[in-house]
Amino acid sequence: DAGVIQSPRHEVTEMGQEVTLRCKPISGHDYLFWYRQTMMRGLELLIYFNNNVPIDDSGMPEDRFSAKMPNASFSTLKIQPSEPRDSAVYFCASSFRGSIDIQYFGAGTRLSVL
Amino acid sequence: AQKVTQAQTEISVVEKEDVTLDCVYETRDTTYYLFWYKQPPSGELVFLIRRNSFDEQNEISGRYSWNFQKSTSSFNFTITASQVVDSAVYFCALSEPMEYGNKLVFGAGTILRVKS
Repeated sequence: DAGVIQSPRHEVTEMGQEVTLRCKPISGHDYLFWYRQTMMRGLELLIYFNNNVPIDDSGMPEDRFSAKMPNASFSTLKIQPSEPRDSAVYFCASSFRGSIDIQYFGAGTRLSVL
Repeated sequence: AQKVTQAQTEISVVEKEDVTLDCVYETRDTTYYLFWYKQPPSGELVFLIRRNSFDEQNEISGRYSWNFQKSTSSFNFTITASQVVDSAVYFCALSEPMEYGNKLVFGAGTILRVKS
């Protein structure tokens, strides 16, 4: 079975540019989570979806960040405009109702904003 | 509020040594889950184990074992006869119930370096 797939693996962009990170959850999973990992703050939950509906976005740092899940097999995290302090590794994870605690993570996207 | 503390920032051992990674948690919930994840140098987070609050039996999986003690709010992870491939960052996590689903609260992680 394919795991959670994230793209791109690495993204380098300049300050002010729009960045879009993509995630394909494991088929059949109905929860999707976006995390950010930095040295200073560790792993932080940004937002999560249940059945494609955003449930809790209280972790989204500011209005520059937005996330969508147009269908059960695809989600995006967008940063517009990007800033150097957004540099981090962004992880997507998914889980299913029967075992909602066990989250399976993608390989992450390493974002560098210059 | 939920909190997970991994006091050991970094541990270095020589191959074949046993090593224990500590995890202490805080929660007001009576029902909760505890987890360990491994993050190897390649970067992905790999699920290792989930333990619920009503099951205090220790668990062993190959060279890995976990000791859950509610009395001390600890969920420690031991690697027996460590190998270089065990080098990674290990995260302990606690589930926090939300209106829909659960949120994982992660500790800061422990960097394990196993030298040959």
